[in-house]
Amino acid sequence: DTGVSQNPRHKITKRGQNVTFRCDPISEHNRLYWYRQTLGQGPEFLTYFQNEAQLEKSRLLSDRFSAERPKGSFSTLEIQRTEQGDSAMYLCASSQGQGFYNSPLHFGNGTRLTVT
Amino acid sequence: EDKVVQSPLSLVVHEGDTVTLNCSYEVTNFRSLLWYKQEKKAPTFLFMLTSSGIEKKSGRLSSILDKKELFSILNITATQTGDSAIYLCAVEASAGGTSYGKLTFGQGTILTVHP
Repeated sequence: DTGVSQNPRHKITKRGQNVTFRCDPISEHNRLYWYRQTLGQGPEFLTYFQNEAQLEKSRLLSDRFSAERPKGSFSTLEIQRTEQGDSAMYLCASSQGQGFYNSPLHFGNGTRLTVT
Repeated sequence: EDKVVQSPLSLVVHEGDTVTLNCSYEVTNFRSLLWYKQEKKAPTFLFMLTSSGIEKKSGRLSSILDKKELFSILNITATQTGDSAIYLCAVEASAGGTSYGKLTFGQGTILTVHP
């Protein structure tokens, strides 16, 4: 079990630039999640995929945010025209689920984004 | 809207002490409550609780859920400096007979264990 892998670990960007993060889930997991965590707060749900289908998006996810999971394996999260308020830790998680059953989420180490 | 409140927000103890962390919740269509430990990076899974009154144990850590009163506690006995971390409580709801892992987290309890 290699765990959930996220890249890059850190990203510093200037306001207005676009950034893209990558997540590789645990290989046998069919569900993948993106969460955002700011200092002193618990993670907040952003979006969720089952296989390649994006099944839910939080209202926190503005039009500047887009996530994909082509072929149901790795996922990317892109933020366009970054703003200082986007500075946060972006966490990816994966699980194995079917219907009512869902295994506990396993999180990656996150990508820390700083927008200057 | 689902809501999770943890208390205390921070706690400082000495090695060997026993601590109890609290988590209360309001959620529609409750499915499970989870505890995670977060050091500097990824939250790591501790427990998943779905049934009232059944204690889950792992070494010095244990947790129990009360679905009637809508709360859970996490106990750590004989604390060690390595227990210093943020402890996160989260609830999972089901929708339309499906549970898909969307978690609502509390703010976390920052535990500091001094030697």
